[in-house]
Amino acid sequence: NAGVTQTPKFRILKIGQSMTLQCAQDMNHNYMYWYRQDPGMGLKLIYYSVGAGITDKGEVPNGYNVSRSTTEDFPLRLELAAPSQTSVYFCASTDRQGAFFGQGTRLTVV
Amino acid sequence: AQKVTQAQTEISVVEKEDVTLDCVYETRDTTYYLFWYKQPPSGELVFLIRRNSFDEQNEISGRYSWNFQKSTSSFNFTITASQVVDSAVYFCALSGPNAGNNRKLIWGLGTSLGVNP
Repeated sequence: NAGVTQTPKFRILKIGQSMTLQCAQDMNHNYMYWYRQDPGMGLKLIYYSVGAGITDKGEVPNGYNVSRSTTEDFPLRLELAAPSQTSVYFCASTDRQGAFFGQGTRLTVV
Repeated sequence: AQKVTQAQTEISVVEKEDVTLDCVYETRDTTYYLFWYKQPPSGELVFLIRRNSFDEQNEISGRYSWNFQKSTSSFNFTITASQVVDSAVYFCALSGPNAGNNRKLIWGLGTSLGVNP
């Protein structure tokens, strides 16, 4: 099992550019999440999904969009990147045992 | 309101010392789950343990042990005979009644543990 796979691992964007962070899991989990982690801080929930076709906002959704067309994939879209979106992004999926995380995407907006 | 407090921002120990990372939580749920995660310098988040609110038994896994005390709303994590590879940021987290639905997962700010040779 690959678990949760995130791509890319690193990315530099210019202000105003857009990009999609990819997340895929092969554990057949219904619940998937996107978090951001700013330096020295814990995780803040951006968006989550409880199953294919269902998504909802977390604490910090502004500037982001998600879709969940399949159980496996949960991409995060950044529109009009801003310096405040410089962060490390984690995708996660959960079952009753806990949350399983991808390796993270380090995004810098310059 | 739910809250997780990890009062220790940074801890530095010498190899082979024992070290305890504190976690205090607040919740009004009668059923809840507590977690510990490790984030090594490489950045990934590694699941360590899940504990539900009805199970106050302490757990030991090798050099790791966890002490859950509902009376003090604490879920502390002890590393015995620490090693350099234990150097990481450790996060404590709390979720509501449905552990799978962790949109209610509340994270502490983490404790950065440095183990020096």
